[in-house]
Amino acid sequence: AQSVTQLGSHVSVSEGALVLLRCNYSSSVPPYLFWYVQYPNQGLQLLLKYTTGATLVKGINGFEAEFKKSETSFHLTKPSAHMSDAAEYFCAVSEPGGSYIPTFGRGTSLIVHP
Amino acid sequence: DVKVTQSSRYLVKRTGEKVFLECVQDMDHENMFWYRQDPGLGLRLIYFSYDVKMKEKGDIPEGYSVSREKKERFSLILESASTNQTSMYLCASSLLAGGDTGELFFGEGSRLTVL
Repeated sequence: AQSVTQLGSHVSVSEGALVLLRCNYSSSVPPYLFWYVQYPNQGLQLLLKYTTGATLVKGINGFEAEFKKSETSFHLTKPSAHMSDAAEYFCAVSEPGGSYIPTFGRGTSLIVHP
Repeated sequence: DVKVTQSSRYLVKRTGEKVFLECVQDMDHENMFWYRQDPGLGLRLIYFSYDVKMKEKGDIPEGYSVSREKKERFSLILESASTNQTSMYLCASSLLAGGDTGELFFGEGSRLTVL
């Protein structure tokens, strides 16, 4: 069975500061990992995903995430926060060879202060 | 550009009413999903469908049913709406499992309020 834990339901940063959103997963097989972003009153859109290959994955809007198998983590980072990054962020995992139905974390709300 | 369209962005219904939430995708995806999103609980899977007329229960199917008569359309039905079904409902689609990574494409969401 797969599961996802996002540490911190809310993360607050100042504009220009480093953004770090944490995600840990459990999976019985090497997983596929995703980060989605949800802006207010909108659906989710894919930020980035890891399937195979390079463990550092770059996504849209300057975000990146690193798959660390030994730590079962897939933390999302951005060097410098922008006001427009304020949103809800969801980490998700799916298992290749299984149902491919992803399991989502509970989400982290990113607050960016001027 | 790929698109998942949910017919109603905002709905207000009364307790006991029958509610239909419609979702259409134009990507020829086999899989379609209905999620419910509540603060602090993330996304919870209600039902999914991997083919026309096929459906599978997700984690919280009670009080809901679904219909998939055509590949591009997946409907969520609340037979008798209750106040605890007030929520944001998200429709999503993805490719067939065999060639898929589990990446989902989401609609804009339907915010349902039951009075």
